[in-house]
Amino acid sequence: AQSVTQLGSHVSVSEGALVLLRCNYSSSVPPYLFWYVQYPNQGLQLLLKYTTGATLVKGINGFEAEFKKSETSFHLTKPSAHMSDAAEYFCAVSVDNNDMRFGAGTRLTVKP
Amino acid sequence: ETGVTQTPRHLVMGMTNKKSLKCEQHLGHNAMYWYKQSAKKPLELMFVYNFKEQTENNSVPSRFSPECPNSSHLFLHLHTLQPEDSALYLCASSQDATSSVYTQYFGPGTRLTVL
Repeated sequence: AQSVTQLGSHVSVSEGALVLLRCNYSSSVPPYLFWYVQYPNQGLQLLLKYTTGATLVKGINGFEAEFKKSETSFHLTKPSAHMSDAAEYFCAVSVDNNDMRFGAGTRLTVKP
Repeated sequence: ETGVTQTPRHLVMGMTNKKSLKCEQHLGHNAMYWYKQSAKKPLELMFVYNFKEQTENNSVPSRFSPECPNSSHLFLHLHTLQPEDSALYLCASSQDATSSVYTQYFGPGTRLTVL
């Protein structure tokens, strides 16, 4: 079965700095990959997803992620952090049966 | 703003109580899901309904009982819960549960505390 590992349960960056949230997946077949964001007291909101085609995926709020099959990774990046980016971020993997497996989450803190 | 609403947003119940969580989606989707989000643990899929038929029961204890009367509404009936059932319960919907091509849209969740 597929699975996801998010490296780092907490990441702290300064406002304006690069955001890098790491995600590695395990899947025996080509996966679909997702990043969701959860703000306090809210549900999960899709940031971006990879299904097929271009391996660099652009999402909302300036985030993007690159699917690297050779590294089994799908890291999330944003060139310049904003205070409003502080939230919890979840990586998820699925293999086209909508059985999504989520990582444990990474809490992003943005310092002024 | 998502098209998935959940009520109540917060619920405190004793172990002998019976309560229900409600989810409604306004997106015209055909699939609905219940997830459990506990502290320090990944989201756990509980139940999946596709076109009102239950297609997934992820080894959930019988004290949780789902109901899907139509494609827009999903309930989770709770009875004789345990303190370890305290968590955030999230509802989601998608166009069709048979493919991950369709994005899952989440509601804000119900924060459940079992005393």
